[in-house]
Amino acid sequence: DQQVKQNSPSLSVQEGRISILNCDYTNSMFDYFLWYKKYPAEGPTFLISISSIKDKNEDGRFTVFLNKSAKHLSLHIVPSQPGDSAVYFCAATGAGSYQLTFGKGTKLSVIP
Amino acid sequence: ETGVTQTPRHLVMGMTNKKSLKCEQHLGHNAMYWYKQSAKKPLELMFVYSLEERVENNSVPSRFSPECPNSSHLFLHLHTLQPEDSALYLCASSQTGQTRRYTFGSGTRLTVV
Repeated sequence: DQQVKQNSPSLSVQEGRISILNCDYTNSMFDYFLWYKKYPAEGPTFLISISSIKDKNEDGRFTVFLNKSAKHLSLHIVPSQPGDSAVYFCAATGAGSYQLTFGKGTKLSVIP
Repeated sequence: ETGVTQTPRHLVMGMTNKKSLKCEQHLGHNAMYWYKQSAKKPLELMFVYSLEERVENNSVPSRFSPECPNSSHLFLHLHTLQPEDSALYLCASSQTGQTRRYTFGSGTRLTVV
């Protein structure tokens, strides 16, 4: 049973517009959430994270929102750029755990 | 050189072969991980080493054998694999007790024929 779900395998967005990537989780013990970005033929790279004590974290064009009651988080990219085209993975972990649990990823295509 | 380096980048092996994947990190991290990424599946954690001791083994078949000789190096020894083991194998490292961010290598694309 998947504990971290990214229900949209792909998303296309026009350059300059907002990209919203969604992620749902089922494990109430998760207290830290991360987004990774992956280009073809490269490993995932860390993008942004959020602790469960917050509901928003912002870093430049990237903002992650956390809704604990809904067990839902989202990544907003504003404005979207062609270089943002990649696969985005949502990941979660709990206190004292070494393990990051990943979603299947969402492939974002930003159209010039 | 910095970051996490994996070799080889691509590997094709027969089901009776023995091969090893290598991972090296130059970040001073004290935990290292092997993940498997199969098509249309999430990244699956295989093994975790913390301070050179294996702390997690997620029900991985014995044909995969990890080795962590020191905090900078991690190996995955492969023996009598099956075609369904074909996948991208990713190594990662992190510093326990601080951030839970992993730094990943570029992966080894393994094809079992």
